Amino acid sequence: DAKTTQPPSMDCAEGRAANLPCNHSTISGNEYVYWYRQIHSQGPQYIIHGLKNNETNEMASLIITEDRKSSTLILPHATLRDTAVYYCIVINTGRRALTFGSGTRLQVQP
Amino acid sequence: DTEVTQTPKHLVMGMTNKKSLKCEQHMGHRAMYWYKQKAKKPPELMFVYSYEKLSINESVPSRFSPECPNSSLLNLHLHALQPEDSALYLCASSQDRFQRGVPNTGELFFGEGSRLTVL
Repeated sequence: DAKTTQPPSMDCAEGRAANLPCNHSTISGNEYVYWYRQIHSQGPQYIIHGLKNNETNEMASLIITEDRKSSTLILPHATLRDTAVYYCIVINTGRRALTFGSGTRLQVQP
Repeated sequence: DTEVTQTPKHLVMGMTNKKSLKCEQHMGHRAMYWYKQKAKKPPELMFVYSYEKLSINESVPSRFSPECPNSSLLNLHLHALQPEDSALYLCASSQDRFQRGVPNTGELFFGEGSRLTVL
């Protein structure tokens, strides 16, 4: 599975968009980009995933660059409850088990 | 029901004790996972079961013994643990990559974890 690089921490003001970047320059053609988050003392929670097209669901949007070497998770209107560690994971279609990197600790400020 | 239930939520045990962690899901998932998470670190994969058979063991010491008695249950038996094994143990489930007939997104559903302290 491709390695990912994320900033260790980010701050965001409540009500503003939170844009979390992820680099995955060694991604290969059959690998998806998945995003999970882990709120303190809870299990990780799936957010969204994509292959090459941008994706949107009720939680977030995922923007993948045309060369697929990086992506951005967008939380359109961050709330205090979005404070969590966000993990970007690249994984191929034949494998389900996730390998977590260090993630980005997002702190939403009031 | 989209829940993965783990019991107990907290467990304190001595190094000579034998205990078990339990995990249950009723989503029809045929892949189940154990992860270990130390404080301020990401989860680390320990075991993967696919259709009740062990498919991945990430070189976990034998003092951790997984068991999958049926498609809904996953156990982790603990024996002769060390204080450094104290951690949050997370169970997860997903559709197995070979499951057909339902949308197969590859999403993992995690439980809340069992926090283990070894004295």
